[in-house]
Amino acid sequence: RKEVEQDPGPFNVPEGATVAFNCTYSNSASQSFFWYRQDCRKEPKLLMSVYSSGNEDGRFTAQLNRASQYISLLIRDSKLSDSATYLCVVVDYKLSFGAGTTVTVRA
Amino acid sequence: DAGVTQSPTHLIKTRGQHVTLRCSPISGHKSVSWYQQVLGQGPQFIFQYYEKEERGRGNFPDRFSARQFPNYSSELNVNALLLGDSALYLCASRRTGGTNTGELFFGEGSRLTVL
Repeated sequence: RKEVEQDPGPFNVPEGATVAFNCTYSNSASQSFFWYRQDCRKEPKLLMSVYSSGNEDGRFTAQLNRASQYISLLIRDSKLSDSATYLCVVVDYKLSFGAGTTVTVRA
Repeated sequence: DAGVTQSPTHLIKTRGQHVTLRCSPISGHKSVSWYQQVLGQGPQFIFQYYEKEERGRGNFPDRFSARQFPNYSSELNVNALLLGDSALYLCASRRTGGTNTGELFFGEGSRLTVL
């Protein structure tokens, strides 16, 4: 079983839509969780941390479910500029990246 | 301020050759990590260095090696290149060696093609 697994998508949504996707992890001792964004042929950049109680950053909401060992990302009111690959990151002694979920927002 | 810089940005090698990739972290950052990203996959952890010492190693063969210099820059070396080594090699820096913050600052990467 992979350490971190994501639905690869692609999620193809119209502007203004809400899109959500999950990431599962295998190590129950994982300590921290993050979402990174990677644009085509660019380097990954931190989008947001994921806190146990859930957290929002503008149109983005991240949640953690330790019992079921998954984290989620929800994007509200999608913009064209949200088109990217979203990488889930799980931290134990190292940062482990998922393969990414591709989101395409169309006009 | 300059971000993480990597060189070369693109290179082509043939099987059996070796390659050296270079990385300069953000000023003040003492930790450097290397990742391999194959097309369609997420970055895979190769090495982490902090204060010139190896702090972590991923599941890569001994053909992969790295080091960190007194100025905190780093080199990744890959010997006896295989076709499967073709990938984007990302360097990331952060201020400390701990992983709890999770924020890595990535360079734009070195895209290696092995023919």
